[in-house]
Amino acid sequence: AQKITQTQPGMFVQEKEAVTLDCTYDTSDPSYGLFWYKQPSSGEMIFLIYQGSYDQQNATEGRYSLNFQKARKSANLVISASQLGDSAMYFCAMREGASGGSYIPTFGRGTSLIVHP
Amino acid sequence: ETGVTQTPRHLVMGMTNKKSLKCEQHLGHNAMYWYKQSAKKPLELMFVYSLEERVENNSVPSRFSPECPNSSHLFLHLHTLQPEDSALYLCASSQGSTGSGNTIYFGEGSWLTVV
Repeated sequence: AQKITQTQPGMFVQEKEAVTLDCTYDTSDPSYGLFWYKQPSSGEMIFLIYQGSYDQQNATEGRYSLNFQKARKSANLVISASQLGDSAMYFCAMREGASGGSYIPTFGRGTSLIVHP
Repeated sequence: ETGVTQTPRHLVMGMTNKKSLKCEQHLGHNAMYWYKQSAKKPLELMFVYSLEERVENNSVPSRFSPECPNSSHLFLHLHTLQPEDSALYLCASSQGSTGSGNTIYFGEGSWLTVV
């Protein structure tokens, strides 16, 4: 069974608008971390934002925020005020804690985001 | 500028060649990783090193041989590769190989083409 599911293979957004990229996860470990990465066409995987399973507040980093809904096991990435440079692949990943889970992060298949001028 | 540097960025090699990919991290981390990313496939973990010892090897063919001489450097030695090995190879590092909060930082990747 997939541990990380990204259901949107491709998304389009108008410049300056907000966009939400979906991510759902599956784990029975109470301790886990959720990550989002951006991969432009150059190939580099750029870390964007992290959310811990025990964090009470949603994580934010500049224009990026993570909409963490623990009961629904979702960790959607919200990009506000999209810019042309945001066009890239976006990957959601999960790293489970030490209580029996694998410490190796699991990545989703990614969502391709295209920002239109 | 990334804290994880990979060289070369692009490599074309024949099936009988021997080449190496190099990775260097400047973040003071003690765990390093090799990932393979093929077109239309999820990211695949190949090797994990923690404190210079291999802790994970996901059934990778022996034509890929990793080497971790110290906590800052990681190599992937390549020999007698197949065309299906053509992919983007990503190196990464983190502070510790365990712990759900340890962020993994990636390099820019090495694009490998096997002809």
